[in-house]
Amino acid sequence: QQQVKQSPQSLIVQKGGISIINCAYENTAFDYFPWYQQFPGKGPALLIAIRPDVSEKKEGRFTISFNKSAKQFSLHIMDSQPGDSATYFCAASTVVQGAQKLVFGQGTRLTINP
Amino acid sequence: GAGVSQSPSNKVTEKGKDVELRCDPISGHTALYWYRQSLGQGLEFLIYFQGNSAPDKSGLPSDRFSAERTGGSVSTLTIQRTQQEDSAVYLCASSLEGRGEAFFGQGTRLTVV
Repeated sequence: QQQVKQSPQSLIVQKGGISIINCAYENTAFDYFPWYQQFPGKGPALLIAIRPDVSEKKEGRFTISFNKSAKQFSLHIMDSQPGDSATYFCAASTVVQGAQKLVFGQGTRLTINP
Repeated sequence: GAGVSQSPSNKVTEKGKDVELRCDPISGHTALYWYRQSLGQGLEFLIYFQGNSAPDKSGLPSDRFSAERTGGSVSTLTIQRTQQEDSAVYLCASSLEGRGEAFFGQGTRLTVV
């Protein structure tokens, strides 16, 4: 129940296209859903995050869509650029007795072809 | 510093030796996580510290792994009697209490030969 399932495992998109990565969860207590971006040799960096009281959040070319009833959320990258090539992780967390633990998906390796 | 700092950045050790990995979190962050990332894999939760509460050690893979956090700041992850399957990147992250945003360090790449 603590798992977050992420798909696809890898994705190739042409420059200018839309990249879509999907995640699903089971634990309805999760109340925070961030996406992280990781470049080779670097630690993951927070990209964008959403809480379940909204269905969509947009920051520049990056949008999170959230479907609470389906327990799914997705990352959309508009006008994808070669510099977006990285590994993307979705995550979910909740606070239980003052403690929280981020649970990560398995990651998606995104390649944007020029 | 401005970010989470981990040291060393790379560590090569012989099988059976003990290693210590260090993490300096962002100043003021009360929560600290350790994760393990094997080559091309996702992030495996190891341990979580939050303020003065007992740490959540549920992710530690064996009793060869331990971690401590001194003074609510610096944390050390210790792996005893290292095995080749311990080879991975060990990532540390910190966050403000009650908030989900976690900021990661660059990681320590551990290679056991």
